[in-house]
Amino acid sequence: AQRVTQPEKLLSVFKGAPVELKCNYSYSGSPELFWYVQYSRQRLQLLLRHISRESIKGFTADLNKGETSFHLKKPFAQEEDSAMYYCALQATGANNLFFGTGTRLTVIP
Amino acid sequence: EPEVTQTPSHQVTQMGQEVILRCVPISNHLYFYWYRQILGQKVEFLVSFYNNEISEKSEIFDDQFSVERPDGSNFTLKIRSTKLEDSAMYFCASNLDRASGYTFGSGTRLTVV
Repeated sequence: AQRVTQPEKLLSVFKGAPVELKCNYSYSGSPELFWYVQYSRQRLQLLLRHISRESIKGFTADLNKGETSFHLKKPFAQEEDSAMYYCALQATGANNLFFGTGTRLTVIP
Repeated sequence: EPEVTQTPSHQVTQMGQEVILRCVPISNHLYFYWYRQILGQKVEFLVSFYNNEISEKSEIFDDQFSVERPDGSNFTLKIRSTKLEDSAMYFCASNLDRASGYTFGSGTRLTVV
């Protein structure tokens, strides 16, 4: 069975500080991993996916199969990064996503 | 930018009543989904729909739930006889193919009293 764990419910960092939101997964196959973000009063939106190896809004995430992790990182946090962040896993051949419980990031000015 | 539209934004219903939640996915998308989020809990998959039929469903999606695409644009979730524990935020989503990320709607908050 698949499982996505985001160990931190809340994370606060100062503006300009590095930020890392942790995501660990449990899945026997080769997963596809995503990060979704929900800003205040907005809808859930895709931030990035591991398959495209892109950097969006300064965020990156690397899939580490050895550690079964997909941590989200940004070197210098901005106030506008304050939001709820969800890590999600898509199993091989499936369309649905398994979400973690989310981490609320607050960037302190 | 195209959006997934959900109506209503908030629905209050009495226990035992039927509710229909409506969604208009992005027009060229092929896969449609319903997810729910009970307050304080994670976003949970309910059902996916492709080619006019359910392609996957979770254990949550029991006989009380059904989905329909009655015309070329709407995608509905029906709960036949609502229970208090059905109170949640219900999200509709769509994508063009399974490798694409989802586009989510803004959600319908269902409150069962």
